[in-house]
Amino acid sequence: DVKVTQSSRYLVKRTGEKVFLECVQDMDHENMFWYRQDPGLGLRLIYFSYDVKMKEKGDIPEGYSVSREKKERFSLILESASTNQTSMYLCASSFPQPEGPYEQYFGPGTRLTVT
Amino acid sequence: KNEVEQSPQNLTAQEGEFITINCSYSVGISALHWLQQHPGGGIVSLFMLSSGKKKHGRLIATINIQEKHSSLHITASHPRDSAVYICAVPPLGGSQGNLIFGKGTKLSVKP
Repeated sequence: DVKVTQSSRYLVKRTGEKVFLECVQDMDHENMFWYRQDPGLGLRLIYFSYDVKMKEKGDIPEGYSVSREKKERFSLILESASTNQTSMYLCASSFPQPEGPYEQYFGPGTRLTVT
Repeated sequence: KNEVEQSPQNLTAQEGEFITINCSYSVGISALHWLQQHPGGGIVSLFMLSSGKKKHGRLIATINIQEKHSSLHITASHPRDSAVYICAVPPLGGSQGNLIFGKGTKLSVKP
């Protein structure tokens, strides 16, 4: 079974802190994704990566950066956390399938609260 | 950008009822996904389909490519089916596997 793990289920941080969210997958997937999920807005893509050291901005990259130094690990960084970044953060991974479809495997999520 | 609309947003049913959740999208796609999210956050993929119908246990997914519409049906619903069901499609001109998600349908099945 594919396993995608995230470093924390719940996290509370203060405004202005630097926050690291870690995601690890064990299936040698090339693609990895970071989403945030908010009530009424659904899942929105922050960043994705299709190879080590490669990254692409998603729909809402502002205030976030990412790092992919190893294939299995994709980190989301909040350089200076703000209260509007309070959200559920979900990581996912998949094999690249240029002609589709793209089945994604999700981690359990990290509920981040910024106070 | 591909737009995804789901209906209804919320659905309450009695145990045993037949349930239908609908998904419409705006542009042509290669495949559509149905996902399930239980309370607590974890998301699992239920179906990925590009034509016709797929069945897994009490769940059936159908897609009409010409009408840009898909439905997820649950037969003999059970309280453990209570979850948020999410439809997702590739973005217009998208590559590398990212998806556009609907806002989800929250299903509550009462015993």
